[in-house]
Amino acid sequence: GAGVSQSPSNKVTEKGKDVELRCDPISGHTALYWYRQSLGQGLEFLIYFQGNSAPDKSGLPSDRFSAERTGGSVSTLTIQRTQQEDSAVYLCASTSTGGPYEQYFGPGTRLTVT
Amino acid sequence: GENVEQHPSTLSVQEGDSAVIKCTYSDSASNYFPWYKQELGKRPQLIIDIRSNVGEKKDQRIAVTLNKTAKHFSLHITETQPEDSAVYFCAASIGAAGNKLTFGGGTRVLVKP
Repeated sequence: GAGVSQSPSNKVTEKGKDVELRCDPISGHTALYWYRQSLGQGLEFLIYFQGNSAPDKSGLPSDRFSAERTGGSVSTLTIQRTQQEDSAVYLCASTSTGGPYEQYFGPGTRLTVT
Repeated sequence: GENVEQHPSTLSVQEGDSAVIKCTYSDSASNYFPWYKQELGKRPQLIIDIRSNVGEKKDQRIAVTLNKTAKHFSLHITETQPEDSAVYFCAASIGAAGNKLTFGGGTRVLVKP
C-alpha cells in the first residue's frame, strides 16, 4: 500500500518568508510525528499528534513553528519568518496505535533558506 | 523527559568484522527500544526492536540486547557487509504503540571492503 508521503520534496525560500510543509500519513494511522534533521545530524523531535488528543508540541524550537492535523489525517507544518538556521530536512512519520509500533517515515522535505 | 545517549558517533569496521553500537536511556519507565537504519539520502527504516520483557532478540546478522537494570541496550551486527554502511539510530519509548520516541544522536557506520 501507499506509504507516508510529503510535499514538496525540496523547498528553497528567502529568509523572512513563511513556508508550509505537508505530510500525508499512512491511511488509518492515528499517530503522526514531525522531526527535523540537519545535515549529518540526528532526528530532532518537533511535534506529535495522537488521535483527538492535544498535540505534544514540546519539541517546537520557537513560536515561529506550528503544525496542524486536519481530520485526523493530513498534517501541515508551518514555519513563519524563516531563518537560515531553519534549513534542514523535515521528516514526517506515522504509526498505528493498534500495533505494530514501527514508525513509518516519509521521504522528507529538504528546506533551504537563503 | 527521556534522554537517550548513543555511542560511538562514528564506527569504521573491516568487512566481515562485527560492529557494536551502545545506547543508554534515562527513564526507567521506557519499555520499547527500536533501532532505525538510515542510508545516505534515504528515510530512516526500522531494522529491529526489543521490548522490556525480553533481554535479547536476533534477526539474521543483527541482534539487540537490553539491560533494564543498567538502562542500556546495544545493537550488534555480525559479518558486516558494505551494504551495512549507514547511520543507525537507537530510540526509547514509554508505553503503547503511538507514543513518542526519543532518538539517540546516531552512529555513522562505515564498512570497508
